Amino acid sequence: KAGVTQTPRYLIKTRGQQVTLSCSPISGHRSVSWYQQTPGQGLQFLFEYFSETQRNKGNFPGRFSGRQFSNSRSEMNVSTLELGDSALYLCASSPGDSHSPLHFGNGTRLTVT
Amino acid sequence: QKEVEQNSGPLSVPEGAIASLNCTYSDRVSQSFFWYRQYSGKSPELIMSIYSNGDKEDGRFTAQLNKASQYVSLLIRDSQPSDSATYLCAVNKVDTDKLIFGTGTRLQVFP
Repeated sequence: KAGVTQTPRYLIKTRGQQVTLSCSPISGHRSVSWYQQTPGQGLQFLFEYFSETQRNKGNFPGRFSGRQFSNSRSEMNVSTLELGDSALYLCASSPGDSHSPLHFGNGTRLTVT
Repeated sequence: QKEVEQNSGPLSVPEGAIASLNCTYSDRVSQSFFWYRQYSGKSPELIMSIYSNGDKEDGRFTAQLNKASQYVSLLIRDSQPSDSATYLCAVNKVDTDKLIFGTGTRLQVFP
C-alpha cells in the first residue's frame, strides 16, 4: 500500500509570494491533516479535511488555507509569505476516526527568503 | 500548562540499556495516545498506539498508560544507536478531536 505522498519536497520562495503544497493520502483514508513543524514550536496543527470539508482548524492566520478534493487529495496554500513561514510542512492521513493514528508524508521543506 | 508535555532532553543512554520516555497531558478525558519516532530531517513515523490503562508491548517497545495520573510513557529495551531520534507523544483532544503533539524528547544511544 502506497504511503502518503507530498509534493514538492523542497521549495524556496520570496517574501510576499504564495505557495501551494500537495498531499495524496493513503488509499482509503478520508482524513487529511496538515502540520507545520519548526525547531522552536514543534508540530503545530494547521487544519484537517474530511470528505472535502474542513473539520478542524488550528490557530493560524487566514493566509493559510486548504482544500480537499473528491479523491481525498489535499492542497494547502499560503499567501503573502513571511520569513517566519519557513518550516517543514507535514501532511498526514487517517481513516478519520479519533482512535486511528495519523500517517505522515515525507513533508515539504519551505524556505522563505 | 501545555496540553502535552515532554522533557526535551537529550536523554542519553548506553547501548543495551532501557530508555524511558515520559509524557503528561492535560485533557483528562483523552482516549487515544500515540508515540512517534522522528529521525533528523525525516517525518514522524508511528511506533505505538495505546488506548487502555496498563502496558502494551511490541517488540522492544512498551507503552504504558495511566489515565488517573494523566501520563503515558514509552520504554525501549536493549536500546540501539539506531534508536537515536526524537520521540513525539501525541494525544487526541476529545473536545476538538485534534491530535496534539508534545515537542518531543531527543534520545541519544551511545555505543
